[in-house]
Amino acid sequence: KQEVTQIPAALSVPEGENLVLNCSFTDSAIYNLQWFRQDPGKGLTSLLLIQSSQREQTSGRLNASLDKSSGRSTLYIAASQPGDSATYLCAVEEADRGSTLGRLYFGRGTQLTVWP
Amino acid sequence: SQTIHQWPATLVQPVGSPLSLECTVEGTSNPNLYWYRQAAGRGLQLLFYSVGIGQISSEVPQNLSASRPQDRQFILSSKKLLLSDSGFYLCARGTVHGYTFGSGTRLTVV
Repeated sequence: KQEVTQIPAALSVPEGENLVLNCSFTDSAIYNLQWFRQDPGKGLTSLLLIQSSQREQTSGRLNASLDKSSGRSTLYIAASQPGDSATYLCAVEEADRGSTLGRLYFGRGTQLTVWP
Repeated sequence: SQTIHQWPATLVQPVGSPLSLECTVEGTSNPNLYWYRQAAGRGLQLLFYSVGIGQISSEVPQNLSASRPQDRQFILSSKKLLLSDSGFYLCARGTVHGYTFGSGTRLTVV
């Protein structure tokens, strides 16, 4: 069974710092990897999706990389802002194994606080 | 649009009472739909998934059930709630372009 681990569990930084959040997974047979953001008491907002054949994706100040062979992904946040404070979740979708459905496996998340 | 509607947003129910949480989705037909639960101090757990009307698969044995009476409607139910059913319930749809989640329902069983 796929296991997803996120490090660190919590991170508190001053505004303006560049950050790296880490995600590792045990089974490299994945369909894609997705990073989400969750604000307190809210649902999940998709940030970036990396297909298994891709190495990285970028959106604004966010960059996510994927090394499928080593089972690792990183989310890079440039020039952090207080509005970036949230929990960041990494999820991998298992590869299609003859069905139309792939399951998402989540890490526990990194709780990020950016203070002014 | 891939919008997902969930209601209610918050619910407080006594132990032993029934439950019905509804999720409706917009966008393309025949979506893959999912119910996840996020319990305090724990990660997201997949409860049920559905690839079509009337097709439900359960991931873990539990006190809950799910139904899909219409293509874009997914319902989570219980006949008698337990304290351990408390949590944050999220509905999601999955496509080749990734997953989209609803805003969730916070359920507190008292």
